[in-house]
Amino acid sequence: SQTIHQWPATLVQPVGSPLSLECTVEGTSNPNLYWYRQAAGRGLQLLFYSVGIGQISSEVPQNLSASRPQDRQFILSSKKLLLSDSGFYLCAWSLDRTFVNYGYTFGSGTRLTVV
Amino acid sequence: LAKTTQPISMDSYEGQEVNITCSHNNIATNDYITWYQQFPSQGPRFIIQGYKTKVTNEVASLFIPADRKSSTLSLPRVSLSDTAVYYCLVGVPPFSSGSARQLTFGSGTQLTVLP
Repeated sequence: SQTIHQWPATLVQPVGSPLSLECTVEGTSNPNLYWYRQAAGRGLQLLFYSVGIGQISSEVPQNLSASRPQDRQFILSSKKLLLSDSGFYLCAWSLDRTFVNYGYTFGSGTRLTVV
Repeated sequence: LAKTTQPISMDSYEGQEVNITCSHNNIATNDYITWYQQFPSQGPRFIIQGYKTKVTNEVASLFIPADRKSSTLSLPRVSLSDTAVYYCLVGVPPFSSGSARQLTFGSGTQLTVLP
């Protein structure tokens, strides 16, 4: 069965520090991968998506970047965190052939607090 | 992108049927309608998906009128554990061919089930 792993679960980082959040998917190949951010009490904002290794599309220009070094690995990074980067970060995957009927599958999320 | 509009919040009592309506006036021909449930500090969980008419699974029903400009998620006999945020999502993910229809989450509907 397919599983998605996201870590760490919580993170407290000072302003100006770097960030690296990792997401891996098991049990499937060539998934579409996504990074979402959710501010407190708000909806989910799509940050990046990827349809394949090395292919990254950004939905919102900002302080963050994403990379996909392997088929089932998606990394969210920042060189210098801002206070406004605080939020709940979610990784998700989908397959073109199973999106109808199954939609997205989300990871458990990372709660990032920038202090 | 098909923008969605949902009520911000709803209250219900245990054992009642709950109907949450989502408006999506600009839905495109290829768009599917997907509903997700999110508990605090967790990733959203797929509930149900449909294209037209009615879809039913073990947890919910989804009603979609002929014009597809709205949809209604129906939760039968809710319990306290159904207290969560419910998101209506319209669209299809990017496919390997490079097309870039994205899924946008709105702010969702906070359902509170009271004893």
